[in-house]
Amino acid sequence: GAGVSQSPSNKVTEKGKDVELRCDPISGHTALYWYRQRLGQGLEFLIYFQGNSAPDKSGLPSDRFSAERTGESVSTLTIQRTQQEDSAVYLCASSSTSVGTDTQYFGPGTRLTVL
Amino acid sequence: AQSVTQLGSHVSVSEGALVLLRCNYSSSVPPYLFWYVQYPNQGLQLLLKYTSAATLVKGINGFEAEFKKSETSFHLTKPSAHMSDAAEYFCAVSDKNFNKFYFGSGTKLNVKP
Repeated sequence: GAGVSQSPSNKVTEKGKDVELRCDPISGHTALYWYRQRLGQGLEFLIYFQGNSAPDKSGLPSDRFSAERTGESVSTLTIQRTQQEDSAVYLCASSSTSVGTDTQYFGPGTRLTVL
Repeated sequence: AQSVTQLGSHVSVSEGALVLLRCNYSSSVPPYLFWYVQYPNQGLQLLLKYTSAATLVKGINGFEAEFKKSETSFHLTKPSAHMSDAAEYFCAVSDKNFNKFYFGSGTKLNVKP
């Protein structure tokens, strides 16, 4: 596609519910990143996928958070038993290789509100 | 480990004035440094990046940044602000060994007419 897309753009949920966020990276991009941006704060790294390698999950804040990616395509970020502190914008980015110099292309984000 | 500090969560300048957004980094290895911009209701987009070539890096829309190793800084500048520059700017660092990007907390630039 033309760019990274994310769905839904907005999600309102009740505390304790599970949510699933989707990211469609740019076609051909092997690297995919998930970030969280809380109100008034910078981007917080969550997880990184590179091709078929095991993902780097070191940024996931708790075991309620998980993410999957099928090959070099779509990724889903799942948050189980949501808490109010999970409210944030969740951003996905992709890049063409695993080299740190490569440009990340960001999606528009999913704004999650946990009531 | 890497980290980024952006001094000033909000910066306000007059149209035509110099823009200076500060970024200091911490890295145990030679860093790669980036500035991203987020316009209202849009996603982040790359403004410029330093990848160990020239220390003065020019980006889009007239912005530039200079890598100063001795000061561990990568400040973003533009000689003359335009109303369309109003946005939030994020500094980020990564290194050659990891594929994580560490972002600063962002600086919102307001341009007054």
